[in-house]
Amino acid sequence: GAGVSQSPRYKVAKRGQDVALRCDPISGHVSLFWYQQALGQGPEFLTYFQNEAQLDKSGLPSDRFFAERPEGSVSTLKIQRTQQEDSAVYLCASSLFEAGEAGELFFGEGSRLTVL
Amino acid sequence: QKEVEQNSGPLSVPEGAIASLNCTYSDRVSQSFFWYRQYSGKSPELIMSIYSNGDKEDGRFTAQLNKASQYVSLLIRDSQPSDSATYLCAVKAGGGNKLTFGTGTQLKVEL
Repeated sequence: GAGVSQSPRYKVAKRGQDVALRCDPISGHVSLFWYQQALGQGPEFLTYFQNEAQLDKSGLPSDRFFAERPEGSVSTLKIQRTQQEDSAVYLCASSLFEAGEAGELFFGEGSRLTVL
Repeated sequence: QKEVEQNSGPLSVPEGAIASLNCTYSDRVSQSFFWYRQYSGKSPELIMSIYSNGDKEDGRFTAQLNKASQYVSLLIRDSQPSDSATYLCAVKAGGGNKLTFGTGTQLKVEL
């Protein structure tokens, strides 16, 4: 597709379950970001990949959060032992440029996670 | 103090009026500034970027940057009901790899 694709769009998990969220960025985009957006808040940075290298994971809130991009294209954000405070929309964004350069971020529609 | 601050609103303006959205940031080394529009339940989309002091115009939108005051604003002229959305201010430090977003200002354009 032409845009950033995320799946699933909606996920309901019971507290303690593991979840995996997928992001398929725009073809050829070097940079990939994950953001977390709570209701009524702006997106909060989680992690950044340049191709397959995870260059910044300073925003991951705990060691229950793990992200990978093994072949430099599709990325997966995994959350282990989900907690209610993990409920949010998880946004993936990609950019043609390396993150140190100016450039537009293209966001996917997000994956809305609800933890019961 | 949050790194990027915005008034959450809602800001209500009548159709055809000018909407003025404001943002302040705390990191003096910030170099790149962006305004994103986010419709309810949708993803953010970039509407303006600005990198140097002064004004930048694109159609009905004007971004204004004052680095000395650490202030960036977005003016929307001839506001339309379709402009009703949340506007997110985002800032990036020079050489940095992430955008830091404000909480967003909800704009309502009323008929």
